[in-house]
Amino acid sequence: ETGVTQTPRHLVMGMTNKKSLKCEQHLGHNAMYWYKQSAKKPLELMFVYSLEERVENNSVPSRFSPECPNSSHLFLHLHTLQPEDSALYLCASSQDWEGNYEQFFGPGTRLTVL
Amino acid sequence: GENVEQHPSTLSVQEGDSAVIKCTYSDSASNYFPWYKQELGKRPQLIIDIRSNVGEKKDQRIAVTLNKTAKHFSLHITETQPEDSAVYFCAAAQYYNQGGKLIFGQGTELSVKP
Repeated sequence: ETGVTQTPRHLVMGMTNKKSLKCEQHLGHNAMYWYKQSAKKPLELMFVYSLEERVENNSVPSRFSPECPNSSHLFLHLHTLQPEDSALYLCASSQDWEGNYEQFFGPGTRLTVL
Repeated sequence: GENVEQHPSTLSVQEGDSAVIKCTYSDSASNYFPWYKQELGKRPQLIIDIRSNVGEKKDQRIAVTLNKTAKHFSLHITETQPEDSAVYFCAAAQYYNQGGKLIFGQGTELSVKP
């Protein structure tokens, strides 16, 4: 167990639904990340939080809304998604944002948008 | 921005043979290059990384080489074993400046046949 957990592990939602993905890290890290992993595509960095402050937002559509209430928890709020948003959403954490610290990934949430 | 290209997309080798995966990057400011391994249905995990102040790094059967002039780096796995079968991702970032902003390659699916 890497110390990064994600819930739910699987999620099926309609395009009009609102849902949230949750990530929790038990490693005492200061930086947390959301990635999108689609088939045949590289891991895409979506958002980065360092000490609860967003430091990176990679031109992600506004239908994805992140929230970081504290350095241990990270949420991704979803609303009016499109079928092309179906993917594996991975959360990761690292000791800090600016140094090159290993990123520890969670198991991911497999999202299907109908 | 940075762009990372990874080849091949799939690689099949016999157990005991060597495997080589190559990546090229576009941003000469990148100076940190990690490799992640993702087994089927599991989360990505760091296996080795290299900084631009060295040309080669080795860890048992795994080695990474870096050519800064040509802007490419490679992962070498010797004496491959069936448990090496996984998807391997290379990435690039700027050490001590947005070091957490990893730009990933497309991934290489390695299959080691017994």
